[in-house]
Amino acid sequence: SQQGEEDPQALSIQEGENATMNCSYKTSINNLQWYRQNSGRGLVHLILIRSNEREKHSGRLRVTLDTSKKSSSLLITASRAADTASYFCATSQGAQKLVFGQGTRLTINP
Amino acid sequence: DTGVSQDPRHKITKRGQNVTFRCDPISEHNRLYWYRQTLGQGPEFLTYFQNEAQLEKSRLLSDRFSAERPKGSFSTLEIQRTEQGDSAMYLCASSSPSGHSYEQYFGPGTRLTVT
Repeated sequence: SQQGEEDPQALSIQEGENATMNCSYKTSINNLQWYRQNSGRGLVHLILIRSNEREKHSGRLRVTLDTSKKSSSLLITASRAADTASYFCATSQGAQKLVFGQGTRLTINP
Repeated sequence: DTGVSQDPRHKITKRGQNVTFRCDPISEHNRLYWYRQTLGQGPEFLTYFQNEAQLEKSRLLSDRFSAERPKGSFSTLEIQRTEQGDSAMYLCASSSPSGHSYEQYFGPGTRLTVT
């Protein structure tokens, strides 16, 4: 079963705009990670944020984590056509399994 | 570092047949994971190895499924008496034991179609 939900399920924006995706989860976590998946391919790790962190940046990515609300957001700034993909949040309680959400399908229109 | 590889990339089989998939993790990674992903859903955990020991199995892993990692390197996932509901993408991932590195590195997946 999925850990939580991502919102929105689908997002379509113009190239150059910012994209924000949200993730909610149910149980206590050690860390939360975001992955990208291009159609029919494997997942690529984007960024990890630990439970004692509130915000993290990596290039055009900004992730926030609110453990009191059990939620996270992923912001992609200045979107590009190559950012078109599905984005998944995943939680874990350590080095064991990841529990994924259902994903957000992001489409960047040129 | 050649990444995680999976073989085959695609498998079409008839219901009732057995299939076996292989995963080769990144060479220095001692943890190996199997996930299953159906269309439009996120991956779901199946099982996890640390070296050759299978440490956790999901309830999704029925008795028709078996996974091995005999020498702590590559792993195989076998599905016996396949059913149409087994059609999915089977993903393998590995992670490093160093420090507190929890990132998992995924292979390209094996897409199984059961007809």
